[in-house]
Amino acid sequence: EAAVTQSPRSKVAVTGGKVTLSCHQTNNHDYMYWYRQDTGHGLRLIHYSYVADSTEKGDIPDGYKASRPSQENFSLILELASLSQTAVYFCASSPTNSGNTLYFGEGSRLIVV
Amino acid sequence: GDSVTQTEGLVTLTKGLPVMLNCTYQTTYSPFLFWYVQHLNEAPKLLLKSSTDNKRTEHQGFYATLHKSSSSFHLQKSSVQLSDSALYFCALSAPYGSSGNKLIFGIGTLLSVKP
Repeated sequence: EAAVTQSPRSKVAVTGGKVTLSCHQTNNHDYMYWYRQDTGHGLRLIHYSYVADSTEKGDIPDGYKASRPSQENFSLILELASLSQTAVYFCASSPTNSGNTLYFGEGSRLIVV
Repeated sequence: GDSVTQTEGLVTLTKGLPVMLNCTYQTTYSPFLFWYVQHLNEAPKLLLKSSTDNKRTEHQGFYATLHKSSSSFHLQKSSVQLSDSALYFCALSAPYGSSGNKLIFGIGTLLSVKP
């Protein structure tokens, strides 16, 4: 089965601090995604990537950067964390992005204080 | 634009009863619909998917039929179990940017099954 692992699984960050969420997949998938989950909003796409060294903006990219240094790794970076970025973040991968299953990691719970 | 609507935020049922979770969508493209299930503190996982009109798709006792005429993809089960308590997301695959498709998720329906 597909394996997507995220770290850290939980983090408390201070406002204005830098946060990096990491994602690693062992599925040899081309596509990787970062989603944010908030009650009442479902899952919203922040950034995605379909090839190493390239990232694309999703629907809510403001305040976030992404990095894809290799096919296996995809990071989400919050340069200046804000209270509004308190959420659960999910990384996912898929072999292509047309009608294929997304395989999600188990999430990273971020609390910004 | 493309969108997914789930009208129920919370559905509470007694074990053994049938359930239907509503999902409607809007798209100008050929629809490809998904249901994902997320148990407490776990990752969302695919439950079932379909792009074929009027064909029932089943998995783990759940089933759904894509109806393009009504833009719907409701999730059903004939007899819910305690273990079915979870958050259920309907999602639509839609063209996005220059690199293909993305999934648009509904806000989710929390199913709570009581003994």
